[in-house]
Amino acid sequence: EPEVTQTPSHQVTQMGQEVILRCVPISNHLYFYWYRQILGQKVEFLVSFYNNEISEKSEIFDDQFSVERPDGSNFTLKIRSTKLEDSAMYFCATQYTGELFFGEGSRLTVL
Amino acid sequence: GQQLNQSPQSMFIQEGEDVSMNCTSSSIFNTWLWYKQDPGEGPVLLIALYKAGELTSNGRLTAQFGITRKDSFLNISASIPSDVGIYFCAGQLEEKLTFGTGTRLTIIP
Repeated sequence: EPEVTQTPSHQVTQMGQEVILRCVPISNHLYFYWYRQILGQKVEFLVSFYNNEISEKSEIFDDQFSVERPDGSNFTLKIRSTKLEDSAMYFCATQYTGELFFGEGSRLTVL
Repeated sequence: GQQLNQSPQSMFIQEGEDVSMNCTSSSIFNTWLWYKQDPGEGPVLLIALYKAGELTSNGRLTAQFGITRKDSFLNISASIPSDVGIYFCAGQLEEKLTFGTGTRLTIIP
């Protein structure tokens, strides 16, 4: 069964460092998303990406965040200067037309 | 932004009991979805609802899309140990999903 894969599964970083989280979407999917889940809280929408550009973003997705598809396969989320409150699970999700498929997530711990 | 109120926050039930949880919103959605999340994993879709009033079953799970498009419920019948986890409702309008706060289901042996 096709799946969305995310790397790394866990990253520990110092506050102020840059982090890049990677996602390999299902091959024929057109819509890509990043969601965030702070420990014990609900899953929150960050950004949606279609046709090589951001189609929608939430208030959380400020100037510290960026997304891109650098090589047509990977879909990345970059956090330029991490803050303590960026510690969370980050989920990539991809979609063709219907069901949203989630990756298993990347846990980011900012110290 | 849109807010989804999901209740209850947690449930402690015995194996074999039925479970009911619901979500309400202040605004309408075009699609309602129910996800289950196991520890350390991403949400997995259980049921998707696309029309107001729609009632859909998936095995022991039944979900309904409220007529007002502002609410949905999920029922699980005859719970089993592997039902343990966190259940999230999600409403979708265009592309974005808005998730509820989750219902943590615990099954008491």
